[in-house]
Amino acid sequence: SQKIEQNSEALNIQEGKTATLTCNYTNYSPAYLQWYRQDPGRGPVFLLLIRENEKEKRKERLKVTFDTTLKQSLFHITASQPADSATYLCALDRGTGFQKLVFGTGTRLLVSP
Amino acid sequence: EAGVAQSPRYKIIEKRQSVAFWCNPISGHATLYWYQQILGQGPKLLIQFQNNGVVDDSQLPKDRFSAERLKGVDSTLKIQPAKLEDSAVYLCASSSSALREQFFGPGTRLTVL
Repeated sequence: SQKIEQNSEALNIQEGKTATLTCNYTNYSPAYLQWYRQDPGRGPVFLLLIRENEKEKRKERLKVTFDTTLKQSLFHITASQPADSATYLCALDRGTGFQKLVFGTGTRLLVSP
Repeated sequence: EAGVAQSPRYKIIEKRQSVAFWCNPISGHATLYWYQQILGQGPKLLIQFQNNGVVDDSQLPKDRFSAERLKGVDSTLKIQPAKLEDSAVYLCASSSSALREQFFGPGTRLTVL
C-alpha cells in the first residue's frame, strides 16, 4: 500500500540556520507534490507545489526539491525565524482525474531564538 | 477574499450521540473536501464533492458518516452514532479547477466521551 513518511520527531534548530524537512514515499507515482504549513488549532495553509518534471522550486526563503527516482522531496527554509515554528505537511497528488491529496503525518519544526 | 468557514469550532458529545458540522467554501470553488485529522497525523480525506456530486467517498465510514452538498455551495458532515475513535479535528477545504492548491478552514475539534 502507498506510504508517505515524514520525520515524526520534532526538528529543533537555531534562528538563522537552514531547516531541512524530508518527505519520502513508496508505492506511489505523484504528478505533483505540495507542502503545507499547519499552526496549532488551525487548518493547513498551502506553501508550494512542485511538478514531477521539476527538480526544484523556490519562493522567498523556501525551497523544495523533488526526486522521483529516490521518491523523495526535501523542503528547506533558509534564514529560519521563530515565526517559522509550525508543523509542515507534504501531500502527494496523482494528477489524474479529480484532484486527491494524500498527506504525510507532518514534521514539527521548532526554531529557537 | 473570505476564506473557508466552518462551525462549530469545538464540540463535545457522548458516544452514540449524533453531531453535524457545517462548511462554507470559498465563493466559486467547485470542489469541496472533508478531512479527518487525528492528533499527530496528517489529514485523511473522507469525502470529496465536485459541485453537488460526490466524486470520492472511498474512505468515508458510511455506516455512521454522511455528507451532503446541496446546491453545490455549503456542505454538512454528520456522524450518527459517534464512537470514541471519532475524536479528531474535521477539516473542510475547497479548491478551484484552475489551481491545484487547497484552501482549508479552521476545523472543528470533536471530542467524544
